Amino acid sequence: DAGVIQSPRHEVTEMGQEVTLRCKPISGHNSLFWYRQTMMRGLELLIYFNNNVPIDDSGMPEDRFSAKMPNASFSTLKIQPSEPRDSAVYFCASWLAGGLGTQYFGPGTRLLVL
Amino acid sequence: GESVGLHLPTLSVQEGDNSIINCAYSNSASDYFIWYKQESGKGPQFIIDIRSNMDKRQGQRVTVLLNKTVKHLSLQIAATQPGDSAVYFCAENNAGNMLTFGGGTRLMVKP
Repeated sequence: DAGVIQSPRHEVTEMGQEVTLRCKPISGHNSLFWYRQTMMRGLELLIYFNNNVPIDDSGMPEDRFSAKMPNASFSTLKIQPSEPRDSAVYFCASWLAGGLGTQYFGPGTRLLVL
Repeated sequence: GESVGLHLPTLSVQEGDNSIINCAYSNSASDYFIWYKQESGKGPQFIIDIRSNMDKRQGQRVTVLLNKTVKHLSLQIAATQPGDSAVYFCAENNAGNMLTFGGGTRLMVKP
């Protein structure tokens, strides 16, 4: 298995631009999580999906952030418009809920908003 | 790639020594605990887990100890190697599929 796949790995954009981060979970996993990691706040859960349905989005910072999971093998996290304070590493993780094991993380997308 | 806080606790050990990384968790109802390792520029990687009905679990060179009385979790690494240098996070499962992560500890291994 290729593990959780994220793209792009690095993104540099200007303030006000739209940013779309992509994630492909591990095949067969039915839960997907988006996290943000910063030096100041550590690892924060933004939103998670179970069977493609958003379950908890209380961690989404504000309306500029949105996430979708149109099918079991793909999810996006969109920031529109982006701001410098959104600069962080964004991780996607997947899990087979109800099974053994834990969340498996992707390599992350390093976002820099200028 | 810097990925953790400036004020991260740091444990410095000599190569070949044993390392012990500690974590205090918050929710007495948590029933599942995990240790992750994060190397620079990479995502957190699963190391070992333990359920609340156990107090010890061993893996290859790693042991996790759980003390539910004081809500304390520890990760022991035997014969620490330079490749063990990373940030280590504990996480607790206390609400369905969601994990709550600790702040992390940076392990530095001196050759």
